[in-house]
Amino acid sequence: GESVGLHLPTLSVQEGDNSIINCAYSNSASDYFIWYKQESGKGPQFIIDIRSNMDKRQGQRVTVLLNKTVKHLSLQIAATQPGDSAVYFCAENRAGGTSYGKLTFGQGTILTVHP
Amino acid sequence: NAGVTQTPKFRVLKTGQSMTLLCAQDMNHEYMYWYRQDPGMGLRLIHYSVGEGTTAKGEVPDGYNVSRLKKQNFLLGLESAAPSQTSVYFCASSHLGRDLNSYEQYFGPGTRLTVT
Repeated sequence: GESVGLHLPTLSVQEGDNSIINCAYSNSASDYFIWYKQESGKGPQFIIDIRSNMDKRQGQRVTVLLNKTVKHLSLQIAATQPGDSAVYFCAENRAGGTSYGKLTFGQGTILTVHP
Repeated sequence: NAGVTQTPKFRVLKTGQSMTLLCAQDMNHEYMYWYRQDPGMGLRLIHYSVGEGTTAKGEVPDGYNVSRLKKQNFLLGLESAAPSQTSVYFCASSHLGRDLNSYEQYFGPGTRLTVT
């Protein structure tokens, strides 16, 4: 069913710490996952993606981990900076065998980085 | 490249009025999407298009119509606005995901719509 919650999960960290943002997905047929960052008043920006045939992928200061057994995705940000403060969304491609590339977005997590 | 642009950036409508939101992309993407984002919720897909002249319903299509007459443009129409349509609207575009091994969508800056 649709979530009607108005309070997003939040994560508060100190500058320089590592951050871990978690996401659970429900469709075992999903074959592609992506993380977006959304700063206040802006559209979502791509961070990193991963296909279901992988369990880890690294980018610049970010790592995405995929655990298909428990349908869990996480985003790790190393040496978090104040500029990383934003809402982070995970999304999955639930289309499975189709090629339409539709993404289904999670609720989002607010990351606040304190100097 | 400008990427994905949206007009207008802000709009206030009275209940029952109509309007059209314009999305344009200069990346020659096949796919385009319209989402709405409400406080405390993720993005919900309204309608999408897999190519010029084609449209399809997403998760929350009621009260909206779309058209894709040109590959670079995707229009979202509200025929009779309701307060429940107060939201931030985002347009996005992407390549043919499966062929390029990525479903990354590129987003515009959003349109903030208030219906009173």
